Amino acid sequence: RKEVEQDPGPFNVPEGATVAFNCTYSNSASQSFFWYRQDCRKEPKLLMSVYSSGNEDGRFTAQLNRASQYISLLIRDSKLSDSATYLCVVTHTGGFKTIFGAGTRLFVKA
Amino acid sequence: EAQVTQNPRYLITVTGKKLTVTCSQNMNHEYMSWYRQDPGLGLRQIYYSMNVEVTDKGDVPEGYKVSRKEKRNFPLILESPSPNQTSLYFCASSSQFAQPQHFGDGTRLSIL
Repeated sequence: RKEVEQDPGPFNVPEGATVAFNCTYSNSASQSFFWYRQDCRKEPKLLMSVYSSGNEDGRFTAQLNRASQYISLLIRDSKLSDSATYLCVVTHTGGFKTIFGAGTRLFVKA
Repeated sequence: EAQVTQNPRYLITVTGKKLTVTCSQNMNHEYMSWYRQDPGLGLRQIYYSMNVEVTDKGDVPEGYKVSRKEKRNFPLILESPSPNQTSLYFCASSSQFAQPQHFGDGTRLSIL
């Protein structure tokens, strides 16, 4: 079983739709959580950190459920420019490693 | 401008010919890391460094070496490259472990 698992995707949605991604992690000692965005063949870029209280950045909302060990990302009012791969990232102090999920591909169509 | 710089961006080479991919950051970050990205597998951590002279293995360290003699530089060394090391490589840094990471532009490596 992978340490960080994401929805397999791809997600195909029309502009203006709301889309949600889930991510589960297996290591209960996980310390910090992030969502990154990656465009084709480009470097990953931080979208947002994820906090236990939940956090919002414009059209993006991230939530963390430590008890169930999952993280979510909600994108409201999808734009064409949101088309990308979304990566769930977890760090844990058991070895100071950073673990990436395999990513979920999103296509937003006009 | 805050950045992580990797070189080369692209390299085609042959099995067994030693190569080094350089990585440099100008943000005075303590934590640096190397990843490889392969289709369907996502990014996997090769090695990381908590600070100068402190390095440790990630999930896929076989066939790679690193060093951290200076805070800004974290080169990735392939002593005897093999075709299964053909991949897209990213270097990243963060102020400390568990903080958001800044990534370089990537190095596309092909080993024939």
